[in-house]
Amino acid sequence: GAVVSQHPSRVICKSGTSVKIECRSLDFQATTMFWYRQFPKQSLMLMATSNEGSKATYEQGVEKDKFLINHASLTLSTLTVTSAHPEDSSFYICSARGLAGRSSYNEQFFGPGTRLTVL
Amino acid sequence: DAKTTQPPSMDCAEGRAANLPCNHSTISGNEYVYWYRQIHSQGPQYIIHGLKNNETNEMASLIITEDRKSSTLILPHATLRDTAVYYCIVEGFGNEKLTFGTGTRLTIIP
Repeated sequence: GAVVSQHPSRVICKSGTSVKIECRSLDFQATTMFWYRQFPKQSLMLMATSNEGSKATYEQGVEKDKFLINHASLTLSTLTVTSAHPEDSSFYICSARGLAGRSSYNEQFFGPGTRLTVL
Repeated sequence: DAKTTQPPSMDCAEGRAANLPCNHSTISGNEYVYWYRQIHSQGPQYIIHGLKNNETNEMASLIITEDRKSSTLILPHATLRDTAVYYCIVEGFGNEKLTFGTGTRLTIIP
């Protein structure tokens, strides 16, 4: 199947610093990428949807100035957590949807996730 | 409001068929049923999807009732690597978003 990578897989940072997470579709062009957050023992919560070349659409309750999303190309989207605080510690997962030769219109390919720990 | 209801957890013996139920009584005519699973500390993995006909692929089978109000995901010969949280998701064709519920934690017992 289509491959989506994330970098870094794990990051530890100090409170107040910013952290950038990259999401790449390796073998297909992703017209849409999604960013999710998952706290321990909870389900995935969609944070935002980004389309290449346009501004991201954020879900209700997600601060767009805190979670900056850039989808500069059809294979790369970045999420920057600005002025991170301990409550931002979570598992961040991206997914990509595009023309990967699959018949399922809604099939999303997920990255392996990035575990962020803010001290 | 959750569109799907799943049991929080299930056990299945290794080598046996694992049958995971999902209720979606408010499903509308243009909504599909999708199944994803998430192995611990990894991103979710697509399994299968269907509209009204039963579907089968190399991973699993999906049985949808005639009234479409419920479905069952079948893993025919469960292995230890099938231990994961399984999510049943109902979304409309063309709706980009996938809304994850709480899922079913399936544990395969040796």
